[in-house]
Amino acid sequence: NAGVTQTPKFRVLKTGQSMTLLCAQDMNHEYMYWYRQDPGMGLRLIHYSVGEGTTAKGEVPDGYNVSRLKKQNFLLGLESAAPSQTSVYFCASSYLSGAGAEAFFGQGTRLTVV
Amino acid sequence: DQQVKQNSPSLSVQEGRISILNCDYTNSMFDYFLWYKKYPAEGPTFLISISSIKDKNEDGRFTVFLNKSAKHLSLHIVPSQPGDSAVYFCAASASNNDMRFGAGTRLTVKP
Repeated sequence: NAGVTQTPKFRVLKTGQSMTLLCAQDMNHEYMYWYRQDPGMGLRLIHYSVGEGTTAKGEVPDGYNVSRLKKQNFLLGLESAAPSQTSVYFCASSYLSGAGAEAFFGQGTRLTVV
Repeated sequence: DQQVKQNSPSLSVQEGRISILNCDYTNSMFDYFLWYKKYPAEGPTFLISISSIKDKNEDGRFTVFLNKSAKHLSLHIVPSQPGDSAVYFCAASASNNDMRFGAGTRLTVKP
């Protein structure tokens, strides 16, 4: 049982390059989330999805796009990377929100933009 | 705006003593609260949760208390063990909505 899998685990990008982070979950969860973790800032929500084909903005959505074409996958895209997007990115999934919102996290993707 | 706040970046306690981690929130729509534990180079893992209709939930050495009127919750760890040393995140969720996290508190349990 893989749980939540993120690829890649590490990446270095040059400013202006684009990339896509992939999150896959095998728990049939409805909700999926993308967070970034920065020192002193905790986990900040970028975008989330409440089901296949839906996406919504979180706290810090600028510079990112997402897609949820299949229930098990949630993709995070950076169209033109900036040094301010250097961070550790975590994907998470949960069966519900509110009661029952226990989320399972991936191992994280460490992204450096130079 | 930060809707979930953990005002103590770090906490150090002696092994065997009680650890108390605090969390405040501002959004009255939150109806479910969670604590996660995170070790370096790993994703956060779920620890314990509490519904807004309760004021206490206990699971072994971990107890979460919720004071809705004060919009405050706390995590008690008794007795604290060196393996509890990690970053603890408070999170809050609203039905049909997203989940927000605090900035985290780094707990160090000294042998």
